[in-house]
Amino acid sequence: NAGVTQTPKFQVLKTGQSMTLQCAQDMNHEYMSWYRQDPGMGLRLIHYSVGAGITDQGEVPNGYNVSRSTTEDFPLRLLSAAPSQTSVYFCASSPGLGFGRGYTFGSGTRLTVV
Amino acid sequence: KQEVTQIPAALSVPEGENLVLNCSFTDSAIYNLQWFRQDPGKGLTSLLLIQSSQREQTSGRLNASLDKSSGRSTLYIAASQPGDSATYLCAVAPFGNTDKLIFGTGTRLQVFP
Repeated sequence: NAGVTQTPKFQVLKTGQSMTLQCAQDMNHEYMSWYRQDPGMGLRLIHYSVGAGITDQGEVPNGYNVSRSTTEDFPLRLLSAAPSQTSVYFCASSPGLGFGRGYTFGSGTRLTVV
Repeated sequence: KQEVTQIPAALSVPEGENLVLNCSFTDSAIYNLQWFRQDPGKGLTSLLLIQSSQREQTSGRLNASLDKSSGRSTLYIAASQPGDSATYLCAVAPFGNTDKLIFGTGTRLQVFP
């Protein structure tokens, strides 16, 4: 049981480039979300999804795009990378309400935009 | 707006001490509270989950309590070990918005031999 898998683990981008951070879970969880972690600011929610075909914005959505075509996958797209998007990105999943279980996190993607 | 605060920001203790990490939140309307551990350069590992109807949860040397009315949770670590050194994060799932977590900024713990 792999849990939540994120790829790549590290990435360096030039300003203006685009890329997709991949996230996959094999636990049949309905809820998936993306967070970014910056020093002194904790983890902040970028986008989230409560099921296939349903996505919504979190606290810091600008510059990012998501889609959820399957239950398993929730990719995060950077449309035109900026140095302010240098951060560590975490994907998380949860079975949702009523299951008595919390969130499971991936190991993260460390992104540097130069 | 829900805000989560963790005090202290950093803590250094000798091995063997019992210690308490604090987490406070401004809105008592939460569905659950989750404690995580994060090692340097790594992801988050879930330690304990407390539902809003529960008062505490225990796992090994860890005990987490929840006082929803006062907006507080504590993580108690018994007989600390150098391997406990990490950053500890608490996060709340707001009632009615359980599809997202609101995190504190964490307590960085160092346990020295």
